[in-house]
Amino acid sequence: AQSVAQPEDQVNVAEGNPLTVKCTYSVSGNPYLFWYVQYPNRGLQFLLKYITGDNLVKGSYGFEAEFNKSQTSFHLKKPSALVSDSALYFCAVRGRNTGFQKLVFGTGTRLLVSP
Amino acid sequence: DVKVTQSSRYLVKRTGEKVFLECVQDMDHENMFWYRQDPGLGLRLIYFSYDVKMKEKGDIPEGYSVSREKKERFSLILESTSTNQTSMYLCASSFLGSGDTGELFFGEGSRLTVL
Repeated sequence: AQSVAQPEDQVNVAEGNPLTVKCTYSVSGNPYLFWYVQYPNRGLQFLLKYITGDNLVKGSYGFEAEFNKSQTSFHLKKPSALVSDSALYFCAVRGRNTGFQKLVFGTGTRLLVSP
Repeated sequence: DVKVTQSSRYLVKRTGEKVFLECVQDMDHENMFWYRQDPGLGLRLIYFSYDVKMKEKGDIPEGYSVSREKKERFSLILESTSTNQTSMYLCASSFLGSGDTGELFFGEGSRLTVL
C-alpha cells in the first residue's frame, strides 16, 4: 500500500533563511511525487512534481524538491524563505503500477515564516 | 488554466439536513474526486469517478453518496448530516490516460459546519 509521512506538524523559519519541509514515502515500484500548497480557506495549489530524470525538481515560487530513492524521500526546499510562504504544505505519492490514478497525501506540514 | 469550481464556499446546516455540494471542471477531465480535509488527518478520499455515471468508493465513503451525470460535473451528497461531517470538502479533477502522472487540480473548497 502507498503511504506518505510528513514527520513535522510545523516548521518555523526566519525570513531570508533556507527552509526544508520533509516527506518520506512508501510505494511499490517507482513513484510519482508531488508537493501542493494550501493558503488559508483555499484549495490546494500544485507546486511541483517528480516524474523521472533529474533528482532535483524545480517548481513554482522558487521552491524545489530533491528526490532520494535510497532514502525514499522527497523533501521540499527553498533557499530563502518569504513571509508569504507561510502556508500548509502537502506531499503526495502515486505508484506507477496502480490501475487508477489515486494520489495518497501526507497529513500536511504548516510552515511559519517570521519577519 | 484548469478551473475547478465548487458552488458553495461556506455552509452551515443543522443535524439531519441534506447537503448537496456541486463541483464543475472546465478541462474535459475524465477523473473527478471528492476529499475531506481535517486537521491532523490530511486529505481523505471519499469517492471518485473515472467516467460519467461511474463511481468508486474511496477510503471513507460512509455517510456520503455521489452523482456524475455529466462529464464536467461531480456532486457530493450528504443525505442526513451529522456533526462529525463538519469539515472542509475539496473537489479535484485529473486526466486519465497512459503515462499521465495523475496530477490533481483542486477547487477552492467548501467548508461545511453541522450544528
